[in-house]
Amino acid sequence: GAVVSQHPSRVICKSGTSVKIECRSLDFQATTMFWYRQFPKKSLMLMATSNEGSKATYEQGVEKDKFLINHASLTLSTLTVTSAHPEDSSFYICSARLAGVQETQYFGPGTRLLVL
Amino acid sequence: EDQVTQSPEALRLQEGESSSLNCSYTVSGLRGLFWYRQDPGKGPEFLFTLYSAGEEKEKERLKATLTKKESFLHITAPKPEDSATYLCAVQASGTYKYIFGTGTRLKVLA
Repeated sequence: GAVVSQHPSRVICKSGTSVKIECRSLDFQATTMFWYRQFPKKSLMLMATSNEGSKATYEQGVEKDKFLINHASLTLSTLTVTSAHPEDSSFYICSARLAGVQETQYFGPGTRLLVL
Repeated sequence: EDQVTQSPEALRLQEGESSSLNCSYTVSGLRGLFWYRQDPGKGPEFLFTLYSAGEEKEKERLKATLTKKESFLHITAPKPEDSATYLCAVQASGTYKYIFGTGTRLKVLA
């Protein structure tokens, strides 16, 4: 149980294009999902908290117009990197919050983005 | 400011050589402390949640413990397949967000 998927796993795009990444909780409903960014050999940096049916909450320093987040259903959140540039190249990971007495975040497998 | 520090940064062990990883934290009211394992190019895999000082949890060769200031992940008789980065995260009261440490990269040699 508690499986989270991400699609695509890997994407290469040209500078200036937009890229959409999907995050799905496969066997549970998640009112809250999170988007992280991870640089090589570094820890996870929280970018934003995504709440179903409402606007995402962005961490300080993260451009909300650059990284558009939509949490349209209890099992799906999307991150769109708009007008991507080489500096946006990174490993993007989502997590879904399994609520309850012992709540835990379960992570997706990540998406490797390379902007040329 | 809430903070998580993990040590050591990297650790090399011989197969069967037991050791411990440390996670020190300062947080305004601990809601939970979480251990994850991350393999290269993959997302973190959940291992344990600890909620209160004195709590311990075990899974195969791993055992996590918690005090008011730190958590330890003990690895008993590790195998090469235990090689990974181990991440610690804390959740403060009143928030769903996690604060992650920088991780310990563990390499177990056969």
